[in-house]
Amino acid sequence: DIQMTQSPSSLPASLGDRVTITCRASQDIGNYLRWFQQKPGKSPRLMIYGATNLAAGVPSRFSGSRSGSDYSLTINSLESEDMAIYYCLQHNEYPLTFGSGTKLEIK
Amino acid sequence: EVQLQQSGAELGKPGTSVKLSCKVSGYNIRNTYMHWVNQRPGKGLEWIGRIDPANGNTIYAEKFKSKATLTADTSSNTAYMQLSQLKSDDTAIYFCAMMGYGYFDYWGQGVMVTVSS
Repeated sequence: DIQMTQSPSSLPASLGDRVTITCRASQDIGNYLRWFQQKPGKSPRLMIYGATNLAAGVPSRFSGSRSGSDYSLTINSLESEDMAIYYCLQHNEYPLTFGSGTKLEIK
Repeated sequence: EVQLQQSGAELGKPGTSVKLSCKVSGYNIRNTYMHWVNQRPGKGLEWIGRIDPANGNTIYAEKFKSKATLTADTSSNTAYMQLSQLKSDDTAIYFCAMMGYGYFDYWGQGVMVTVSS
């Protein structure tokens, strides 16, 4: 199975900060990488697909990038509504595997 | 508008089974895969498996092969997941989701399954 190593697990940040979350894939997954945002009591919401593409309706302060086997989600100018848990998901091969999640919280 | 409506919360006794449903409106499930994902209390997301409703083909994560059974009824546009031999460790929220090409991505609201005697 492909392991997705996500870091950090917790990320205290201030409003207006620029933050980056990273997932490292244990095998090649191409650009078959999605980022989800999950708020308490809610279903996951797709933020980024194809590693770098913004999903419909997602604010432009979110962006995705790739460097080799490292995939990153960056949020510029953090807003209060961005406080949530973020997960990466590889869907290059079965079984699909999620990262362990990053809890973004106000410092 | 595409919507996935999951059945209500379930309380199951250890050793029994529950069957969850996910009814889709606004999209023909024959045209996508239906995935199931769980989330144990306070934990992360875990992929269980997926079904191709067009032909019934299924793929499961190894740990769920003897736990979950995925089916689909294209006439009612509904997907199902049966969880068998319930244990306390199966207590979780279960989501159905359609994840396709590009940003095609729709999730049900999730259903809480509690295993308790």
